[in-house]
Amino acid sequence: EVQLVESGGGLVQPGGSLRLSCAASGFTFSDAWMGWVRQAPGKGLEWVGRIKSKSAGATTDYAALVKGRFTISRDDSKTTLFLQMNSLKIEDTAVYYCATSGSYSDYWGQGTLVTVSS
Amino acid sequence: DIVLTQSPDSLAVSLGERATISCKSSQSVSYTSNIRNYLAWYQQKPGQPPKLLIYWASTRESGVPDRFSGSGSGTDFTLTINSLQAEDVAVYYCQQYYTTPLTFGGGTKVEIK
Repeated sequence: EVQLVESGGGLVQPGGSLRLSCAASGFTFSDAWMGWVRQAPGKGLEWVGRIKSKSAGATTDYAALVKGRFTISRDDSKTTLFLQMNSLKIEDTAVYYCATSGSYSDYWGQGTLVTVSS
Repeated sequence: DIVLTQSPDSLAVSLGERATISCKSSQSVSYTSNIRNYLAWYQQKPGQPPKLLIYWASTRESGVPDRFSGSGSGTDFTLTINSLQAEDVAVYYCQQYYTTPLTFGGGTKVEIK
């Protein structure tokens, strides 16, 4: 059974940093392209970015709103995906979902809430 | 960036009736080389993550009831829910994966009339 479990969310002040993790199991993580999608309270889905598999170069792509502030990485040995978020803004407040993300996303985690507030 | 415009924003349908959701793209999401449409549909219920329903515009994900169907090509796509059931109450999103940044439509809320 495929499982994606996010952790690391919480309350952070504007300008602060937070690192989210996504523990994956039930599939060959090292072959998977992975991504993050967020959803602000009461709003729609917003793609954050993705990282390709190591065999595809492990390159990353980001949404313009987060590029330069957020970094996606992966540890295939621990089957874990990361999202390092720096210079956080109030508008980054959202539930952050980890998902398989080569193209469409067939598996999603339950999400972790990030609240940016003073 | 590719903009996906969904309509309507919300709709109320009687149980057993048909619901139709439109998703229009600001540019084609089809590659002529493989004649594939890089568009997916998701269902999201309150407090839950999105669930993949349809990919390649018309391929139903395993386990998705056959009352859900996707159609369209190029820039115009439709999600149809035949014989709406109570458990279909949700917000539905289209997504293009033709190019980065991947983008989602604004969502359509489906309710029971």
